[in-house]
Amino acid sequence: GAGVSQSPSNKVTEKGKDVELRCDPISGHTALYWYRQSLGQGLEFLIYFQGNSAPDKSGLPSDRFSAERTGGSVSTLTIQRTQQEDSAVYLCASSRAGGPANTGELFFGEGSRLTVL
Amino acid sequence: DAKTTQPNSMESNEEEPVHLPCNHSTISGTDYIHWYRQLPSQGPEYVIHGLTSNVNNRMASLAIAEDRKSSTLILHRATLRDAAVYYCILDIYNQGGKLIFGQGTELSVKP
Repeated sequence: GAGVSQSPSNKVTEKGKDVELRCDPISGHTALYWYRQSLGQGLEFLIYFQGNSAPDKSGLPSDRFSAERTGGSVSTLTIQRTQQEDSAVYLCASSRAGGPANTGELFFGEGSRLTVL
Repeated sequence: DAKTTQPNSMESNEEEPVHLPCNHSTISGTDYIHWYRQLPSQGPEYVIHGLTSNVNNRMASLAIAEDRKSSTLILHRATLRDAAVYYCILDIYNQGGKLIFGQGTELSVKP
């Protein structure tokens, strides 16, 4: 498809396990963003990539969270030793632009719903 | 940290115009104003953005105050499908494209 693709759409895991969430941005989009949304809450910024580098990691909630992007395309968000408070919908977005001015339109995926038991 | 203030909720009647307000008193001259909306169980979708002048597109209009400390998203004829959470966001220069979403305004549309 032409949109942002995320997988898995749903993931149930046990506390303490590691999880990987994947994001396939729109082809040609240089900027990629990860957000998370807890039930009934707004979006919380996690990390932003421009190409393969992450100029802003300030939103990652703890050192259990990491993300990488390879080939300027696919990104993986990894959560180690999951905790119940990690349960949320993790949303990925991509954009043609990105940088210090005028972000440009963000296109969001449908999200990966993570439930930690 | 969101730097914008919006009412928590608003109601509208179908087929009537809706004006969604947003205050951003700390805006600087190079910050863009973005609006996104999120329908139930979906990721957010872009609505409109602007810098100084009013903007129109097929979805909505954005009216920006002369001092830029506030803006209004205008839906010209609300439909049931417009029921969503609407987010007003500042795209802050030199923040590397980090859009900080606040709590937004939950718009309900009555038939």
